Amino acid sequence: EDQVTQSPEALRLQEGESSSLNCSYTVSGLRGLFWYRQDPGKGPEFLFTLYSAGEEKEKERLKATLTKKESFLHITAPKPEDSATYLCAVQARTGAGSYQLTFGKGTKLSVIP
Amino acid sequence: DSGVTQTPKHLITATGQRVTLRCSPRSGDLSVYWYQQSLDQGLQFLIQYYNGEERAKGNILERFSAQQFPDLHSELNLSSLELGDSALYFCASSVVAGVGGNEQFFGPGTRLTVL
Repeated sequence: EDQVTQSPEALRLQEGESSSLNCSYTVSGLRGLFWYRQDPGKGPEFLFTLYSAGEEKEKERLKATLTKKESFLHITAPKPEDSATYLCAVQARTGAGSYQLTFGKGTKLSVIP
Repeated sequence: DSGVTQTPKHLITATGQRVTLRCSPRSGDLSVYWYQQSLDQGLQFLIQYYNGEERAKGNILERFSAQQFPDLHSELNLSSLELGDSALYFCASSVVAGVGGNEQFFGPGTRLTVL
């Protein structure tokens, strides 16, 4: 069974204080690892897809990296508007045409001015 | 705005009742997914449709069913509702296809409250 574990559950940072969120996974054949941002009461917003170990992607203050067992979301000099829950999900190589995501429970990030 | 629309935004009903949630995917997307999000369980995959056909099932209860219509919109039907069915229900869509991963874009969700 595919499993995704995110840590920490919650993280409070001062504005400008860089940090990393962790996503560890076990999956039988990784097709892709996805990062989403979710604001309270809203739908998840797509951030990145990573496909293979060693891959990195960046968007503004966010950078996602991938190894064979985990992914990190690095946040550089965060601002209060980066406060949200960050979700990690994996897509496994299951039956043909089957593309569901298995999500972790998320890391709730609070950035204090 | 992801381009995925869901109606209604909020739904309040009583135990034992039946409700229908509606989703319109992004233009050009053939695949629709339904997810349930509750406080203790996180986002859980329910079911996937591709171009009108069911492709995958997750932890979907027998009281729940879904379908995708020729115009590609989808409906999720929840019946014999219980208090524990109260949650946010999200629809997502993707192009899908072939090799590689695929990005799923989520709608704003329907908040279901069962009293």
